[in-house]
Amino acid sequence: EAGVAQSPRYKIIEKRQSVAFWCNPISGHATLYWYQQILGQGPKLLIQFQNNGVVDDSQLPKDRFSAERLKGVDSTLKIQPAKLEDSAVYLCASSLDWDYYNEQFFGPGTRLTVL
Amino acid sequence: AQKITQTQPGMFVQEKEAVTLDCTYDTSDQSYGLFWYKQPSSGEMIFLIYQGSYDEQNATEGRYSLNFQKARKSANLVISASQLGDSAMYFCAMREGTSGTYKYIFGTGTRLKVLA
Repeated sequence: EAGVAQSPRYKIIEKRQSVAFWCNPISGHATLYWYQQILGQGPKLLIQFQNNGVVDDSQLPKDRFSAERLKGVDSTLKIQPAKLEDSAVYLCASSLDWDYYNEQFFGPGTRLTVL
Repeated sequence: AQKITQTQPGMFVQEKEAVTLDCTYDTSDQSYGLFWYKQPSSGEMIFLIYQGSYDEQNATEGRYSLNFQKARKSANLVISASQLGDSAMYFCAMREGTSGTYKYIFGTGTRLKVLA
């Protein structure tokens, strides 16, 4: 079974530029999550989708961050314009949402550096 | 208030020894889940073990066990017979809510270093 795919793995941009990240969850997983993990901290949930609907985006800085999950499969997360404090690893995860564990399976992450 | 608290920023353990990583949580939900993840230097989060709030037995997965004390709201991870490959960041996480509206909260992590 293929895992959660993310691209790019690394991105370096200057502040005020735009950037987009892509995530392809495990096939059949209804729920998709985007996390921001700043160096030395635990992951912080940015947005959670169930199929193509948003379940929780309370911690998404909506003035600069946006995300979509068209057709309930792939998802993109965009930052426009980027700030220095956006430097972090952006993790995508997916889960079945109906099994006992409901464990999240994580992708390898995208490491963003904003200069 | 922190919902997940990991008070040990860093831990050392000798190879082949056991180590306990602490985690306390705060929730008013009756039904919740507790997870431990390992994050090696490569960055990927690896699921280790799960404990449901209604589970009466402590969860075990190979060398990992979860010491669940519900009244104390603690869910400590025990790694037995530590190996050099266990050196990594370890995160405790809690799932609240119901299916379709689950929320996951992570702690700040504990960096474990296994010494040869």
